[in-house]
Amino acid sequence: NAGVTQTPKFRILKIGQSMTLQCTQDMNHNYMYWYRQDPGMGLKLIYYSVGAGITDKGEVPNGYNVSRSTTEDFPLRLELAAPSQTSVYFCASSYPTGGGLGSPLHFGNGTRLTVT
Amino acid sequence: TQLLEQSPQFLSIQEGENLTVYCNSSSVFSSLQWYRQEPGEGPVLLVTVVTGGEVKKLKRLTFQFGDARKDSSLHITAAQPGDTGLYLCAGSPRVINAGNMLTFGGGTRLMVKP
Repeated sequence: NAGVTQTPKFRILKIGQSMTLQCTQDMNHNYMYWYRQDPGMGLKLIYYSVGAGITDKGEVPNGYNVSRSTTEDFPLRLELAAPSQTSVYFCASSYPTGGGLGSPLHFGNGTRLTVT
Repeated sequence: TQLLEQSPQFLSIQEGENLTVYCNSSSVFSSLQWYRQEPGEGPVLLVTVVTGGEVKKLKRLTFQFGDARKDSSLHITAAQPGDTGLYLCAGSPRVINAGNMLTFGGGTRLMVKP
């Protein structure tokens, strides 16, 4: 089982460039998420999706966009890269659970992005 | 925003020692998860605790959820070099239909020296 697959693994961007971080999952999970992890920090939620065609902002959405045209794919778009977006980006997926029980997240191995 | 604070941030110990990592909040969570992350990889779920006062054991790891569901601890007995990694706690809000969003703590980076 592939699980959650992210590409690329590493990328260096110049200020103002744009790129798309790819994420695909083969577990038929409804929920998908994008997090960023800065050095010495925990994970901060950028965007999430509860199903195809539905996306919503997380804690730190500025400078990013997402789309969810299929259950499997959840790409993250950076339109005008800034040094503050240097980080490690993780995509995750999960089944929905009722009552806020918090179903476990399945993470990809991350994309390390440097903006110079 | 519900905040989770983890302590200590860094911990370096010798093989065979015991340790405890704490995860605290002023907010109540419906459940709390612990993840471990190794360099170059995404976090992997270790355990989910749901009931206040619950204790779960996973080999040498013991997880506890506070009675008031605001805090949790992870205790490792006789730590081994293979336990080295970043330990993250994550709380699930009590609000239904919040997109199942988790709030993550800042993590505890553990190094176990042989």
